[in-house]
Amino acid sequence: DAKTTQPPSMDCAEGRAANLPCNHSTISGNEYVYWYRQIHSQGPQYIIHGLKNNETNEMASLIITEDRKSSTLILPHATLRDTAVYYCIVRVETSGSRLTFGEGTQLTVNP
Amino acid sequence: ETGVTQTPRHLVMGMTNKKSLKCEQHLGHNAMYWYKQSAKKPLELMFVYNFKEQTENNSVPSRFSPECPNSSHLFLHLHTLQPEDSALYLCASSQDLAGVWYEQYFGPGTRLTVT
Repeated sequence: DAKTTQPPSMDCAEGRAANLPCNHSTISGNEYVYWYRQIHSQGPQYIIHGLKNNETNEMASLIITEDRKSSTLILPHATLRDTAVYYCIVRVETSGSRLTFGEGTQLTVNP
Repeated sequence: ETGVTQTPRHLVMGMTNKKSLKCEQHLGHNAMYWYKQSAKKPLELMFVYNFKEQTENNSVPSRFSPECPNSSHLFLHLHTLQPEDSALYLCASSQDLAGVWYEQYFGPGTRLTVT
């Protein structure tokens, strides 16, 4: 699975958009980008995933650059409950459901 | 509530004790996982079970012994642990068919402290 690089921490004001970047410059053509988050002392929670097209669901939007070497997770209107560690994971979809987590980004949403 | 429960939520044990962690999923999944999360370290995958068969063991010490009696239940038996084994132990489940990704659902975890 390709290695990812995320900033260790970010801050965001409540009600504003939170944009979390992820670099994956060694991503291969059949690897997807997945995002999970982990609220303090809870289990991780799936957010969204994509291959090359931008994706949106009720939780977030995923923007993948045209060369697929980086992506951004967007929480359009961050709330205090969005404070969590966000993990960007790159992996081949056909390798089953196992996940390899990195360090992630600690997002703190401030009132 | 993710449909994956873990008990106990907190456990303190001495190095000579034997204890077990329990995980149960109510989602009809066929794969179950144990992860370890130590302080300030990424989650580490420990074991994977698929249709009750262990399919992955990531070089976990033998003082951790998993058991999967059926697709809904997963145990982690602990004995002669070390203080560095203190961590949050997370259970997850998913569908797992060859060549297909399915979302993993995580339980709330067991916070283990070894004294």
